[in-house]
Amino acid sequence: GAGVSQSPSNKVTEKGKDVELRCDPISGHTALYWYRQSLGQGLEFLIYFQGNSAPDKSGLPSDRFSAERTGGSVSTLTIQRTQQEDSAVYLCASSLQTSSDTQYFGPGTRLTVL
Amino acid sequence: GENVEQHPSTLSVQEGDSAVIKCTYSDSASNYFPWYKQELGKRPQLIIDIRSNVGEKKDQRIAVTLNKTAKHFSLHITETQPEDSAVYFCAATKAAGNKLTFGGGTRVLVKP
Repeated sequence: GAGVSQSPSNKVTEKGKDVELRCDPISGHTALYWYRQSLGQGLEFLIYFQGNSAPDKSGLPSDRFSAERTGGSVSTLTIQRTQQEDSAVYLCASSLQTSSDTQYFGPGTRLTVL
Repeated sequence: GENVEQHPSTLSVQEGDSAVIKCTYSDSASNYFPWYKQELGKRPQLIIDIRSNVGEKKDQRIAVTLNKTAKHFSLHITETQPEDSAVYFCAATKAAGNKLTFGGGTRVLVKP
């Protein structure tokens, strides 16, 4: 079956511009996660959506970052007024219900801020 | 919140030798401990996990052990092969609305 998909796969933007990254989770998965991974680094947690509960936004690094999940499926991560330090791979993952279910990762979006 | 420490950050082993990666966690209520493998340029994938009601789990050449008293768990890879070269991440959660907290990762290099 179809796995987690993300778009775009690559995004190059200029400093100060806004960007939107999209994640399509596996059908039927109610939990969705966003992570950031800088080159050669670990997985930095950004935000976690679980069903209809209020999302855990504790990992968002600043108020320039926001995410929403419409209709319990597709999610969009928005970065406003991008900075060079935002350059990284943004990974989305989904799991069946909770964080104790296997997370399936998407291929990521490589963001480069010039 | 939960904090997961992972050691070592890099590990170089000779092909055929064993590799061990250790993680400690801070929240005694955590009850699910997965391990993810990320090959170069690829996405992380689950390789094995353990829940707090067991002390050890094995799947072919990989095994995970859990010591709840000491709050640490380890990944063991036996008879390492070049395709085991990757970054390995441990993680912990107590689920029920809580996020999965990852360790910092271990870069494993298996030398032929």
